[in-house]
Amino acid sequence: SQQGEEDPQALSIQEGENATMNCSYKTSINNLQWYRQNSGRGLVHLILIRSNEREKHSGRLRVTLDTSKKSSSLLITASRAADTASYFCATLYGNKLVFGAGTILRVKS
Amino acid sequence: GAVVSQHPSRVICKSGTSVKIECRSLDFQATTMFWYRQFPKKSLMLMATSNEGSKATYEQGVEKDKFLINHASLTLSTLTVTSAHPEDSSFYICSAKATSGTSWSLEGTQYFGPGTRLLVL
Repeated sequence: SQQGEEDPQALSIQEGENATMNCSYKTSINNLQWYRQNSGRGLVHLILIRSNEREKHSGRLRVTLDTSKKSSSLLITASRAADTASYFCATLYGNKLVFGAGTILRVKS
Repeated sequence: GAVVSQHPSRVICKSGTSVKIECRSLDFQATTMFWYRQFPKKSLMLMATSNEGSKATYEQGVEKDKFLINHASLTLSTLTVTSAHPEDSSFYICSAKATSGTSWSLEGTQYFGPGTRLLVL
């Protein structure tokens, strides 16, 4: 299976703390994307990092990519209760997105 | 921009009936749409890739006669679950990829619908 792994599977933090989620994948990629899914809803695209990029920022989000280790991390700084959601990494193989298992983040206020 | 809608948002049906789910790209054209299935607290599993004007490409293990996909226009794809059974109960999500050359769409980015929750009794 091309599907990657994410850790942790679940993360519970206090509002204001930082949250870090990790993703590993198995084969060469064109890019890696992070998505958020609120409970029972569709996915929202957060950020895309290309295979030749090592780090990318968007607001409170910071994504890193290490192609030698086939891994990526998503950091959410100064978390808010509204950040409570599931977060998925996805890698692009040809035309298809392959999703990781996801991390369930709960931010307590 | 980049809004994808799904209809219905939830549906309950009796075993043996067929259910049609619509996926529409509201403000852009999508040559390619994708259908995913998601079980509770699990990740998305790609079921099929739907290309406008041609037959869908199904992932291994997905029955094409069970899950009929039609992509008749650049803004609409439908998934019909035929002769539904309780094990078909799931959350079905579609996504759309903007037509190649669309300036605001990053490569490979898919825009997701809100999902359809199907319960088969």
